[in-house]
Amino acid sequence: AQSVSQHNHHVILSEAASLELGCNYSYGGTVNLFWYVQYPGQHLQLLLKYFSGDPLVKGIKGFEAEFIKSKFSFNLRKPSVQWSDTAEYFCAVINTGTASKLTFGTGTRLQVTL
Amino acid sequence: KAGVTQTPRYLIKTRGQQVTLSCSPISGHRSVSWYQQTPGQGLQFLFEYFSETQRNKGNFPGRFSGRQFSNSRSEMNVSTLELGDSALYLCASSLGAQMNTEAFFGQGTRLTVV
Repeated sequence: AQSVSQHNHHVILSEAASLELGCNYSYGGTVNLFWYVQYPGQHLQLLLKYFSGDPLVKGIKGFEAEFIKSKFSFNLRKPSVQWSDTAEYFCAVINTGTASKLTFGTGTRLQVTL
Repeated sequence: KAGVTQTPRYLIKTRGQQVTLSCSPISGHRSVSWYQQTPGQGLQFLFEYFSETQRNKGNFPGRFSGRQFSNSRSEMNVSTLELGDSALYLCASSLGAQMNTEAFFGQGTRLTVV
């Protein structure tokens, strides 16, 4: 069965600091990868996605992620975080065998301080 | 265009009761998936419906069931409620025909079992 690991459970950063959140998945076949964000009191929103092609994908609000197939990783980055980035971030994967089923990581709570 | 709509937003039920949650997908989307979100387990896949057929199912007991109507609206039902069923239940819709489509989430129904 596929699984997704997010190693950072709670991250606290000051505004303007750089962010990198780790995500590793376990599945040997073709996958699609996603990062979702959940702001306090709001629904899950898609930050970015990787289906194929350029392994460096750019999303909304200045976020980007790099798919490294050899490392089964899809880490999320942002050069300079803002207070409004305070939220919970979820990495998710879909594989070709269960195309309709998203498997989520446990999430990383990001707290950005002023 | 309107997003994914889930009703009701909040529910309080007693152990042993049953509950039905509703989800209206984005217009044109034929796939509806359901997820359970809890602090301890994170986001876990319940099941997915596409064109009124259950296409994928997670590892939940038979007390959890769902269905999809011809207009793509979906309902999920939980019978004989247990305290551990208290969670945020999320619905996601997508075009659904292919793997490389993204899922859009509703705001969820928060179920409290007392």
